Amino acid sequence: EAQVTQNPRYLITVTGKKLTVTCSQNMNHEYMSWYRQDPGLGLRQIYYSMNVEVTDKGDVPEGYKVSRKEKRNFPLILESPSPNQTSLYFCASSFLNSQPQHFGDGTRLSIL
Amino acid sequence: AQTVTQSQPEMSVQEAETVTLSCTYDTSESDYYLFWYKQPPSRQMILVIRQEAYKQQNATENRFSVNFQKAAKSFSLKISDSQLGDAAMYFCAYRSDTGTASKLTFGTGTRLQVTL
Repeated sequence: EAQVTQNPRYLITVTGKKLTVTCSQNMNHEYMSWYRQDPGLGLRQIYYSMNVEVTDKGDVPEGYKVSRKEKRNFPLILESPSPNQTSLYFCASSFLNSQPQHFGDGTRLSIL
Repeated sequence: AQTVTQSQPEMSVQEAETVTLSCTYDTSESDYYLFWYKQPPSRQMILVIRQEAYKQQNATENRFSVNFQKAAKSFSLKISDSQLGDAAMYFCAYRSDTGTASKLTFGTGTRLQVTL
């Protein structure tokens, strides 16, 4: 089954404790992206990647890191999480710009 | 930069009736794609319908159709014969067809309630 898998689905943690949200897709997509969803703001792009070792900033990259060492994986790293990073996070992937993005099921992060 | 505006934070429709959700966008590009995504309480992002800007014909997917007005930069979603399962948050999104890595720019969403 074609899918984008995010882990964990839920996480409550404390300020400053490094965390990683994993994202994996099994569709051989070149393009992968991270979004955060906040009430009243819709979804905003954090980082994206066009292919292995190619990443770039989106609209709200501050406080986040990503890496793309393998085509299928695109982890989101919060080196020193802060409460303003409490949000719902989505990973997405697609083949081409024209193709709709496939979304993971989301990760709810709470930073206390 | 492109912007997407959904001016209706909430809408309500009775079961079996028709409802239209509004979306406008701002861009200087001529080639792009527009999407409507549905987010039910399960919070999954589900693609509802897609429209290519170069196509004049409005996209249709079963009970869902769009009214795409390129000159007016408008992209509304019509849901016919509304069902209880249509209750969700709906997001309009824009994606450029230029450049090598174009993101989705989302509107702020419209929450649709379906009543009996």
